[in-house]
Amino acid sequence: NAGVTQTPKFRILKIGQSMTLQCTQDMNHNYMYWYRQDPGMGLKLIYYSVGAGITDKGEVPNGYNVSRSTTEDFPLRLELAAPSQTSVYFCASINGLTGAGVGELFFGEGSRLTVL
Amino acid sequence: DQQVKQNSPSLSVQEGRISILNCDYTNSMFDYFLWYKKYPAEGPTFLISISSIKDKNEDGRFTVFLNKSAKHLSLHIVPSQPGDSAVYFCAARDSGGGADGLTFGKGTHLIIQP
Repeated sequence: NAGVTQTPKFRILKIGQSMTLQCTQDMNHNYMYWYRQDPGMGLKLIYYSVGAGITDKGEVPNGYNVSRSTTEDFPLRLELAAPSQTSVYFCASINGLTGAGVGELFFGEGSRLTVL
Repeated sequence: DQQVKQNSPSLSVQEGRISILNCDYTNSMFDYFLWYKKYPAEGPTFLISISSIKDKNEDGRFTVFLNKSAKHLSLHIVPSQPGDSAVYFCAARDSGGGADGLTFGKGTHLIIQP
């Protein structure tokens, strides 16, 4: 019963470096999401995907890229890391029904990223 | 502009008493509301939800009330227990049926005092 698994849990990056946050789910969910949570703030949507090969921007996509080559995996890539990307990143998934919207998302444990 | 507002960053309640967490929203297109609970160093976990066609939903010690005319919902926890100490996020779904996730409030840190 792994659910949604994120790696790494912690990472420190230097300004300008790049990295990929990994997310995999074993529930055969078609919808997957990346959120970020800044201190004292709610979760903001970065990117989402409704299935393999389909991705779309959320509220705060700048500085990030995603891909969805399989149902299970939804990696988030940070290019040219900036201090503003210091945050906790959460991956989530759900078995979404087209036209019905989303309901209870299942979240991973989070990845804490610090950019110095 | 925040569409989902949780105006109390923190709330302290004595064990055994009722905890009431509040949430206001501005978007009339929201049709489904959820509460998530988050412990430190963990991801949020779903707690309870309510559809906009209802005004109350109960699950054990947790009850969510929805007042559509006031665009307000609240989460009641009775009785409060030490394990309830966590950050609680209010979230809402747009009725458009899109896949673009949920809109979250900033969260309320609930502290249950022994």
